[in-house]
Amino acid sequence: EDKVVQSPLSLVVHEGDTVTLNCSYEVTNFRSLLWYKQEKKAPTFLFMLTSSGIEKKSGRLSSILDKKELFSILNITATQTGDSAVYLCAVRGSNYKLTFGKGTLLTVNP
Amino acid sequence: NAGVTQTPKFQVLKTGQSMTLQCAQDMNHEYMSWYRQDPGMGLRLIHYSVGAGITDQGEVPNGYNVSRSTTEDFPLRLLSAAPSQTSVYFCASSEGRLNTEAFFGQGTRLTVV
Repeated sequence: EDKVVQSPLSLVVHEGDTVTLNCSYEVTNFRSLLWYKQEKKAPTFLFMLTSSGIEKKSGRLSSILDKKELFSILNITATQTGDSAVYLCAVRGSNYKLTFGKGTLLTVNP
Repeated sequence: NAGVTQTPKFQVLKTGQSMTLQCAQDMNHEYMSWYRQDPGMGLRLIHYSVGAGITDQGEVPNGYNVSRSTTEDFPLRLLSAAPSQTSVYFCASSEGRLNTEAFFGQGTRLTVV
């Protein structure tokens, strides 16, 4: 059975801090890893990673995948209160199913 | 752009009642799925479909039925609601390719009393 473990489960930081969120996985026939941001409503897509070592970047957010060690990290630099959310990691295997981790609750205090 | 539309947004049911949560997408996506989200549990897959006429069980299928008669619609039926089914339900869709993002509906908050 596919498995995704995120850490930490919650994190409280001050505005301006840099944070690193972790995602490790076990999946049959790995195809992709996805990161989502959820702010009280539907998850919104951030990144999709399929190859090791290639950083995806969008503004202050970046992510990278290590397929050998089976993990990914999501970095957020210069955090803002608007970054407060649950960050979800999901992996897709060969059967189209997305398996999600439990998420990391990030709280950014002013 | 409608994307993925779920109805209703909120629902209260009595134990034993049945109901259908509706999900429709207008992006011609092959793959659709239903998740439930409970505090501290992330998103758990209930049922999914890889195309019209094809459905399969996810991680937590008990107490739920689905059907996929058209590409656009993927309703989720609760046969006899139980308090354990109190949750937020999300429908998602994606293209019929493996390396593609999933788009989510806005969710249905269901309370079973």
